[in-house]
Amino acid sequence: DAGVIQSPRHEVTEMGQEVTLRCKPISGHDYLFWYRQTMMRGLELLIYFNNNVPIDDSGMPEDRFSAKMPNASFSTLKIQPSEPRDSAVYFCASSLTRGLGDQPQHFGDGTRLSIL
Amino acid sequence: SQQGEEDPQALSIQEGENATMNCSYKTSINNLQWYRQNSGRGLVHLILIRSNEREKHSGRLRVTLDTSKKSSSLLITASRAADTASYFCATDNSGGGADGLTFGKGTHLIIQP
Repeated sequence: DAGVIQSPRHEVTEMGQEVTLRCKPISGHDYLFWYRQTMMRGLELLIYFNNNVPIDDSGMPEDRFSAKMPNASFSTLKIQPSEPRDSAVYFCASSLTRGLGDQPQHFGDGTRLSIL
Repeated sequence: SQQGEEDPQALSIQEGENATMNCSYKTSINNLQWYRQNSGRGLVHLILIRSNEREKHSGRLRVTLDTSKKSSSLLITASRAADTASYFCATDNSGGGADGLTFGKGTHLIIQP
């Protein structure tokens, strides 16, 4: 089975540019999560979806961040405009059913984002 | 704020020795999970322990949970060089607060060959 697929794996861009990160969850999983990982703050939950509907976006740091899930097999996380402090590794994860504690989450290998 | 806090932050041992990592958390939970992250990769689920369980085994892994102390430990027996990774505990929140898992900052484990 294919795991969670994220693209691109690395992104380097100039401050102020729009950045779009992509995620394909595992087929059949109905929960999708976006996380950000930094040395200082560890792994932070940004937003999660259930059946393509955003459930909790309280972790999204600012209005510059937005996420969509137009269908069950695709999600995007967009940063516009990007700033140097957005530099981090962004992970997408998916899980089955009630993945909020009693199901394992399956992570992609992340997008390493560097904003210059 | 972090729900789970791992201890120690870093651990270096010789191959063949046992490695023990600890996790403390603040609020009531339904379940606690442990994950491993190899350098440059995503997190991989290792084991889940429910709040009504005290101990669970999976291969060379042993997890304990003490809800009275709000703590868990992960023991890796007979460590191998391939066990070198960061290990994270993750908790849900049964107290009606934010949903989803909250991860600690991890223990970085180095196995010396």
